[in-house]
Amino acid sequence: KQEVTQIPAALSVPEGENLVLNCSFTDSAIYNLQWFRQDPGKGLTSLLLIQSSQREQTSGRLNASLDKSSGRSTLYIAASQPGDSATYLCAAPAGGTSYGKLTFGQGTILTVHP
Amino acid sequence: KAGVTQTPRYLIKTRGQQVTLSCSPISGHRSVSWYQQTPGQGLQFLFEYFSETQRNKGNFPGRFSGRQFSNSRSEMNVSTLELGDSALYLCASSLGPLLQGMNTEAFFGQGTRLTVV
Repeated sequence: KQEVTQIPAALSVPEGENLVLNCSFTDSAIYNLQWFRQDPGKGLTSLLLIQSSQREQTSGRLNASLDKSSGRSTLYIAASQPGDSATYLCAAPAGGTSYGKLTFGQGTILTVHP
Repeated sequence: KAGVTQTPRYLIKTRGQQVTLSCSPISGHRSVSWYQQTPGQGLQFLFEYFSETQRNKGNFPGRFSGRQFSNSRSEMNVSTLELGDSALYLCASSLGPLLQGMNTEAFFGQGTRLTVV
């Protein structure tokens, strides 16, 4: 059974800082991992889908890495801005033949203050 | 290209009533999954449909049901509502089933906020 953990639970930083969000998973036999952003009361916005064969994926100021051997993924946000304030969630397939199921971490609440 | 559309956005229902939520996936996507999000439990998987067939179901009581139509649109129904059913219900669509081994990206709608009073 896949379990996903995110650290830290909350993070408050001044604008302009580079920061790292961590995600760990128990079932390392994953082919991909997805990072999402969620604004209060809203749905999830897909940020990056990183495949195990890629090890890294970049989109603008975001960079995600995946290390299956250690069961970890990191989301790196460069030059943070107040608009980056949101909850960040990582999700991995549940494993086995569990169709359609993503297992989510509890999320990291990010606050970037001016 | 339109994203995932969920209707309605907000609902207020009374205990004991039933409710139907709708999800229209991205055009061409055939898989639809449903999740319940609450502050205490986070995101929990309800069920997944692909080609009108339910392929997976989460650990929820039988009051929660769903279906998918031939155009891939999906509905979920909750009968005999309880206060604890108050949550944000999210639908996700993908090209194919989110199955281990398939690099398929999931796209979520804005959700339906259900409040049971």
